[in-house]
Amino acid sequence: RKEVEQDPGPFNVPEGATVAFNCTYSNSASQSFFWYRQDCRKEPKLLMSVYSSGNEDGRFTAQLNRASQYISLLIRDSKLSDSATYLCARGGSQGNLIFGKGTKLSVKP
Amino acid sequence: GAVVSQHPSRVICKSGTSVKIECRSLDFQATTMFWYRQFPKQSLMLMATSNEGSKATYEQGVEKDKFLINHASLTLSTLTVTSAHPEDSSFYICSARTGYVTEAFFGQGTRLTVV
Repeated sequence: RKEVEQDPGPFNVPEGATVAFNCTYSNSASQSFFWYRQDCRKEPKLLMSVYSSGNEDGRFTAQLNRASQYISLLIRDSKLSDSATYLCARGGSQGNLIFGKGTKLSVKP
Repeated sequence: GAVVSQHPSRVICKSGTSVKIECRSLDFQATTMFWYRQFPKQSLMLMATSNEGSKATYEQGVEKDKFLINHASLTLSTLTVTSAHPEDSSFYICSARTGYVTEAFFGQGTRLTVV
């Protein structure tokens, strides 16, 4: 099983739709989790950290399920500008990040 | 937020030549810098971790003699791809963190094409 696994998509959704991504991880000792957004040929940008209690930032909600070893990202009221690749990541032992391959989202008018 | 500047953003070089990529933390002291590589449609894979003033720690499968990393100061780390081959063509990206903050900040990335 890969360290961090995501459905590559693409997810093609209309504007205004709600879309959810899941990401599974194999290391049960992992303590920190993140969602990053990566635009084509650009560096990843931190979208949000993921906490056990779940967290919300505007239209974005992240959840962590330790029992099932997955994290999720929910995007409500999708905008055209949300089109990007969403990477989940867990913190590594050296302070590095271990990334999934990313899930591509395409929001259509 | 903290700023990490990576240069160059894009480079094309001939097989057999060496390419140096710089990563600078502009407004904080980076005790640790990470170098990642991303092939098309793949995840960012950690190549090496460097701490200021000490030798870099390389991930399994990454040749330390081919990918030279120098972290001589708290604001600068360099990655030199020596004797580049076409299979080294990839997106190289650094990230930097300070010991006081858990978040790592990314440079803009360098797209290397070896012809």
